[in-house]
Amino acid sequence: DSGVTQTPKHLITATGQRVTLRCSPRSGDLSVYWYQQSLDQGLQFLIQYYNGEERAKGNILERFSAQQFPDLHSELNLSSLELGDSALYFCASSVGTPNRGGNTIYFGEGSWLTVV
Amino acid sequence: AQTVTQSQPEMSVQEAETVTLSCTYDTSESNYYLFWYKQPPSRQMILVIRQEAYKQQNATENRFSVNFQKAAKSFSLKISDSQLGDTAMYFCAFGGSQGNLIFGKGTKLSVKP
Repeated sequence: DSGVTQTPKHLITATGQRVTLRCSPRSGDLSVYWYQQSLDQGLQFLIQYYNGEERAKGNILERFSAQQFPDLHSELNLSSLELGDSALYFCASSVGTPNRGGNTIYFGEGSWLTVV
Repeated sequence: AQTVTQSQPEMSVQEAETVTLSCTYDTSESNYYLFWYKQPPSRQMILVIRQEAYKQQNATENRFSVNFQKAAKSFSLKISDSQLGDTAMYFCAFGGSQGNLIFGKGTKLSVKP
């Protein structure tokens, strides 16, 4: 158990719909990351928050948005869903950033999203 | 921009033997960290080993060790005494000033009995 909690674990929804994925980081971790892993693909970085502020942005679609709340939990909102959005969405957390003191990023178990 | 390349999409090894997974990266930064993550069929991402770029000594964690060649920008993972439970996808990752991890496309390792 990495200590990173993601809900829901599985989600099936229809095209055009909107979903919210939730993440609770490990106790004490200030950074939260979101990654997308499509079938047989590597991990694509979406976005990172540090202590409530957006820190880095990757290949995140305009239909997707995220935020980190004062209690440090984070939500990833996916709207106008398309079939191609079906993927495993990982949340991860770390104390700081990977190149500061070797902060390791710990991953949650992921949220499986299926768009039908 | 940093890139991470894993040139071996798939590998197999006999149980109890040793296997080496390759990873190269490209960066102009001098302060960074490198990681290997394991993703078994359960799809959970599990940290295997971590290497600080400023350390010349190669990291070791039980049966897992790395060969870090900074000048060559190479970071290979050696698994000794392979076990069936080592069957998984292995991802090499770079952590630099951007503040997130950049992953390679992964190597699928199969350990055969």
